[in-house]
Amino acid sequence: EVQLVETGGGLVQPGKSLKLTCATSGFTFSNAWMDWVRQSPEKQLEWVAQIKDKSNNYATYYAESVKGRFTISRDDSKSSVYLQMNSLKEEDTAIYYCRGSPHYWGQGVMVTVSS
Amino acid sequence: DVVMTQTPVSLSVSLGGQVSISCRSSQSLVHNNGNTYLSWYLQKPGQSPQLLIYKVSNRFSGISDRFSGSGSGTDFTLKISRVEPDDLGVYYCGQGTQYPLTFGSGTKLEIK
Repeated sequence: EVQLVETGGGLVQPGKSLKLTCATSGFTFSNAWMDWVRQSPEKQLEWVAQIKDKSNNYATYYAESVKGRFTISRDDSKSSVYLQMNSLKEEDTAIYYCRGSPHYWGQGVMVTVSS
Repeated sequence: DVVMTQTPVSLSVSLGGQVSISCRSSQSLVHNNGNTYLSWYLQKPGQSPQLLIYKVSNRFSGISDRFSGSGSGTDFTLKISRVEPDDLGVYYCGQGTQYPLTFGSGTKLEIK
């Protein structure tokens, strides 16, 4: 059974940092391109970042709205992908989903940025 | 950025009926490698999105043949036949051809 479990969400003040973790199982993680996708309170889906696999040199891509503030990384030995979020803004408030692009989605983790 | 426009915003259908959802992209979704990375997702109430269709017309593992995808270039359609109660939710299209990856704004399916 494929599982993607996100952790690390919560309430954080503007300007602070948070790190999300997505632990996966049930598929060949090392070959997978992994995304973070978020869903705003208005329910719109927004792609955040992607990291490719080793054969593609772990290339990373970011949405313009998070470039320079967020960093995606992965650890193939742990079948996990991470999202380091710095300088958080209120508009980053959303449910963050981990995705094995494009097939598998996690259950999501809530991030609330508020003073 | 590639803008994905979904229509209609919502629709209501009787059980056993058929519906079509349209998704149009502002640019061609044909990748340099010849593939077209257009996917369809269903988000049931209280759940995360789940993949239904990938690369325009390929049903994902375990997805009923009541769901079918078609289209090319910039114009795509999801058809759902013999609608069942479990089909209710919000349907999204998404493109994986060009960065940034983008999604449509969703079509809410309600059962009459």
